[in-house]
Amino acid sequence: GDSVTQMQGQVTLSEDDFLFINCTYSTTWYPTLFWYVQYPGEGPQLLLKVTTANNKGISRGFEATYDKGTTSFHLQKASVQESDSAVYYCVLAPGNMGYKLTFGTGTSLLVDP
Amino acid sequence: GGIITQTPKFLIGQEGQKLTLKCQQNFNHDTMYWYRQDSGKGLRLIYYSITENDLQKGDLSEGYDASREKKSSFSLTVTSAQKNEMAVFLCASSIRGGAYAEQFFGPGTRLTVL
Repeated sequence: GDSVTQMQGQVTLSEDDFLFINCTYSTTWYPTLFWYVQYPGEGPQLLLKVTTANNKGISRGFEATYDKGTTSFHLQKASVQESDSAVYYCVLAPGNMGYKLTFGTGTSLLVDP
Repeated sequence: GGIITQTPKFLIGQEGQKLTLKCQQNFNHDTMYWYRQDSGKGLRLIYYSITENDLQKGDLSEGYDASREKKSSFSLTVTSAQKNEMAVFLCASSIRGGAYAEQFFGPGTRLTVL
């Protein structure tokens, strides 16, 4: 079945630092990949969606791409702010038009002011 | 815009008790979902309902029942609460577009079993 591996459990940065979070995925289908963000006390919300390999998704200063060759996808931001402190999930949608998303285990980002 | 309301916000139960969590959405979305979120793990799908009269099991359905009372509401029942079920339960909704459709989440119900 589909799987997503998100190795970075916790990341601590200072304001204006560069953020890079990486995930790897496994699927037999052509993937659509998402990044969801969860702020404290809230449910997750969609941050970015990437439907085509090597094309960028861009939102709120974040960029995401995925690489079919290495089956990896990543999220980056040039300059993080304290308000970016949250949990970031990489998420795989099945290419068979099913309804089950596969979530990574989440990366908790803490940005020190 | 719209909103997803989950009640209660906190639920404390006894081991073996039957517990019900409720979810309401005013997006007019066809599809609704229940997920369980455990610390250090990703979200895992318990049940989903593609349309008003539909009910589908997710990967974690054992020990749970679900009910789609009407288009706007979706309930989840823990049939017999267990001590290892302390978790946050998240409800979500989307248009009827499969997993490609953006899912909108509620704030969650935090379950504690004594």
